[in-house]
Amino acid sequence: DAGVTQSPTHLIKTRGQHVTLRCSPISGHKSVSWYQQVLGQGPQFIFQYYEKEERGRGNFPDRFSARQFPNYSSELNVNALLLGDSALYLCASSVDRGVEAFFGQGTRLTVV
Amino acid sequence: GEDVEQSLFLSVREGDSSVINCTYTDSSSTYLYWYKQEPGAGLQLLTYIFSNMDMKQDQRLTVLLNKKDKHLSLRIADTQTGDSAIYFCAEVLYGGATNKLIFGTGTLLAVQP
Repeated sequence: DAGVTQSPTHLIKTRGQHVTLRCSPISGHKSVSWYQQVLGQGPQFIFQYYEKEERGRGNFPDRFSARQFPNYSSELNVNALLLGDSALYLCASSVDRGVEAFFGQGTRLTVV
Repeated sequence: GEDVEQSLFLSVREGDSSVINCTYTDSSSTYLYWYKQEPGAGLQLLTYIFSNMDMKQDQRLTVLLNKKDKHLSLRIADTQTGDSAIYFCAEVLYGGATNKLIFGTGTLLAVQP
């Protein structure tokens, strides 16, 4: 049974570039959320998508955007990268909102 | 405000019990979670408790909830070296059509052989 899969696992980008991170939820899960985890801190909520619609957005700038596709997979896009965007980006999927959320292994983004 | 607090570090000997504590903020939270994160890895859901419960036991894990004090704890019985990791508690905050997990800063559990 495949869990939440994220790609790529690691990424190095230069300031000013953009990046696209991908997430495939557990089969049957319709809700995908994105979190940013800066080193030494707990994850911070970025977005939630449910049935392909954005249902919530955290306190992140407009450089961050996301979408969910008909197969419920999701992409997180970050434009004009800053050094402070370096973090582990985690995707979580759930059957519906609010119950068990299962996380992927994350994408480690380093901005140099 | 959104602020979940945890102590930063806990050291125990193998075979002892570990108790990790957490204080959350939203009394309306319906679910409270414990996640485990090993080095370089994502978050593993360990257990969760519904807010109308005081206690939940799952094998070596016991979760205690004190709603009056907004205090959550995770007890790990017979702690093993493989339990060494960072443990996060999280509460669910509902706002309109969305819900989001609010995480604490994590407690690093070090198990000494």
